[in-house]
Amino acid sequence: KQEVTQIPAALSVPEGENLVLNCSFTDSAIYNLQWFRQDPGKGLTSLLLIQSSQREQTSGRLNASLDKSSGRSTLYIAASQPGDSATYLCAVSDSGNTPLVFGKGTRLSVIA
Amino acid sequence: GAVVSQHPSWVICKSGTSVKIECRSLDFQATTMFWYRQFPKQSLMLMATSNEGSKATYEQGVEKDKFLINHASLTLSTLTVTSAHPEDSSFYICSARIIVAKNIQYFGAGTRLSVL
Repeated sequence: KQEVTQIPAALSVPEGENLVLNCSFTDSAIYNLQWFRQDPGKGLTSLLLIQSSQREQTSGRLNASLDKSSGRSTLYIAASQPGDSATYLCAVSDSGNTPLVFGKGTRLSVIA
Repeated sequence: GAVVSQHPSWVICKSGTSVKIECRSLDFQATTMFWYRQFPKQSLMLMATSNEGSKATYEQGVEKDKFLINHASLTLSTLTVTSAHPEDSSFYICSARIIVAKNIQYFGAGTRLSVL
């Protein structure tokens, strides 16, 4: 059974810092991996989707990498801003038809 | 991007009543919708997979008679929490799958259920 772990559970950084969020999964035979953002009491916003054949994806100040063989992904946020404060969730899909398996998330606070 | 509307966003009800939550795909057809439940500071846990025109597939430990799912059309799925109790208080989120080949899901804004 696929399990997704995110480290750290919470992170507080001053504005402007670059930071890395980590995600690991137990079964490396994934179909794709997604990073989501969730604001308190809100739904999910998809940030980046990495297919199993890809190594990384970039969107603005966000860069997500995938090392499928080691079961790891990282989300890099450059020049963090207070507006980046949210919970970041990592989720994997084992095939094109299976539901997503989520980690517990990393709660990020960017202090102005 | 694709939009999934979830309604209501917040509901308070008395213990023993039933609550219906709607999930609509506004600009696309969704053959599959998923229902998740999230407790505070926890991750999303899949409750059930809903396929249009067929019975929902429930995850282990989820009572299908308590959490009724209907997916009558390609744009609407509903979750009814029957005879709600305080332990059912949670955040419920739906998602709709648009492209099977890439398994991309778009999520609703969620419904916070508080059972008194």
